Amino acid sequence: NAGVMQNPRHLVRRRGQEARLRCSPMKGHSHVYWYRQLPEEGLKFMVYLQKENIIDESGMPKERFSAEFPKEGPSILRIQQVVRGDSAAYFCASGKGLNEQYFGPGTRLTVT
Amino acid sequence: DQQVKQNSPSLSVQEGRISILNCDYTNSMFDYFLWYKKYPAEGPTFLISISSIKDKNEDGRFTVFLNKSAKHLSLHIVPSQPGDSAVYFCAAKGVTSGTYKYIFGTGTRLKVLA
Repeated sequence: NAGVMQNPRHLVRRRGQEARLRCSPMKGHSHVYWYRQLPEEGLKFMVYLQKENIIDESGMPKERFSAEFPKEGPSILRIQQVVRGDSAAYFCASGKGLNEQYFGPGTRLTVT
Repeated sequence: DQQVKQNSPSLSVQEGRISILNCDYTNSMFDYFLWYKKYPAEGPTFLISISSIKDKNEDGRFTVFLNKSAKHLSLHIVPSQPGDSAVYFCAAKGVTSGTYKYIFGTGTRLKVLA
C-alpha cells in the first residue's frame, strides 16, 4: 500500500506565476489536509477536504489560494500570482477518519 | 494565538538516557493528541497518540503522558538512540472555527549524542 504521494517534491516559480501542488492520498482515504511550514516554524493548518467537498478552509489565505479534491484524481493546492512570502514547504496528509493523519513527503516551493 | 506550544526549540540528550519532550495546550476541548517525528526533507511520521480519556499510552520505547488539569503532555523516549535525532511535533485535535482539525506545535529539535 503506497503512502501519501506529493508532487512535485520541489517547485520553483517566479513571482506572479501559478503554483500547482498535487497530493495523492493513501488508498481508501477520503480525508485530505493541507499544511504549510514556513522556515523555523511549525505546521500551520490550511484546509481540510473530503471527496468533492471543502470541509474547512479557515487556514487558507483569502486570496490567491484554492484547493480541491475531485471525485477522481489527486487533491490540488493552487496558488495564483505567487509572491516570495509563499516560499515554504507544503505538506498534505490523508486519513480514513478524524483520528489519523498520514503525511506525504511535502513539496518545497521556492519563489524567486 | 498559539493553542499548542512547545516551549523548548531544542534538546540534547546522551545516547541511552531518557529524552523528555514537552507540550502545553490552552483549549480544554481538545480530545486527542498525537506526536510526530520529522526528519529533514521528509514528511512528519506518526509516532504515538493518546485520547483525552487516558493519562498514559506506551509503545515500545515511546510513552506519552497526559495531564489534563495542567493541559500538558509529554513524550518520553527511553533509551534514546542516535536515530531518534529529529524534530518532534505535538498536535491536538479539537473543534476550532466550527470543525475538527489538528493544531500543531512549533516543534522541538532533539539531538541524541553518541
